[in-house]
Amino acid sequence: KQEVTQIPAALSVPEGENLVLNCSFTDSAIYNLQWFRQDPGKGLTSLLLIQSSQREQTSGRLNASLDKSSGRSTLYIAASQPGDSATYLCVPNPYGNNRLAFGKGNQVVVIP
Amino acid sequence: EPEVTQTPSHQVTQMGQEVILRCVPISNHLYFYWYRQILGQKVEFLVSFYNNEISEKSEIFDDQFSVERPDGSNFTLKIRSTKLEDSAMYFCASYYDQWFFGPGTRLTVL
Repeated sequence: KQEVTQIPAALSVPEGENLVLNCSFTDSAIYNLQWFRQDPGKGLTSLLLIQSSQREQTSGRLNASLDKSSGRSTLYIAASQPGDSATYLCVPNPYGNNRLAFGKGNQVVVIP
Repeated sequence: EPEVTQTPSHQVTQMGQEVILRCVPISNHLYFYWYRQILGQKVEFLVSFYNNEISEKSEIFDDQFSVERPDGSNFTLKIRSTKLEDSAMYFCASYYDQWFFGPGTRLTVL
């Protein structure tokens, strides 16, 4: 059974700082991994998709790395802004379209 | 960009009543899912649906729950007799190489 752990659980940073959000997962047999953003009381917005054969993926200020063999992914957010305040969820996608396992996420607050 | 839509955005119901939550997945997707998130907790899997039948369900998905794809576009989750503990945000998702989640339906059971 896949277990996802995200560290830190919560962090507050001043605007402009770079963010490093860590994710570890127990079952490395994944097809790909997605990072989502969730605002309070809202749905999940996909940020980045990284295939199991890739080491990293970039979109604007976001960069995600994947070390599949060790079951780790890291999301880097450069030059954080108050609008980046949200909970970030790392979701490893198993083969066979099986159920997803979610962690508690990284809750980020960027202070203006 | 294609998206998953859900209605209603918020549903309030009395305990014991039936509710139907509706979703329109992305049109060419074949795999559909319901997840839920109780306030302050993790997102948890309820059920997956493929080829007009349930492919997997969690221990949460008991006899009070059912899913249906009544036509070519809608995908519904029915809760027959709601309980207080069913209060949660319910997310519909569809999958094609990556996951697409709907905006959710907030269900409040009084």
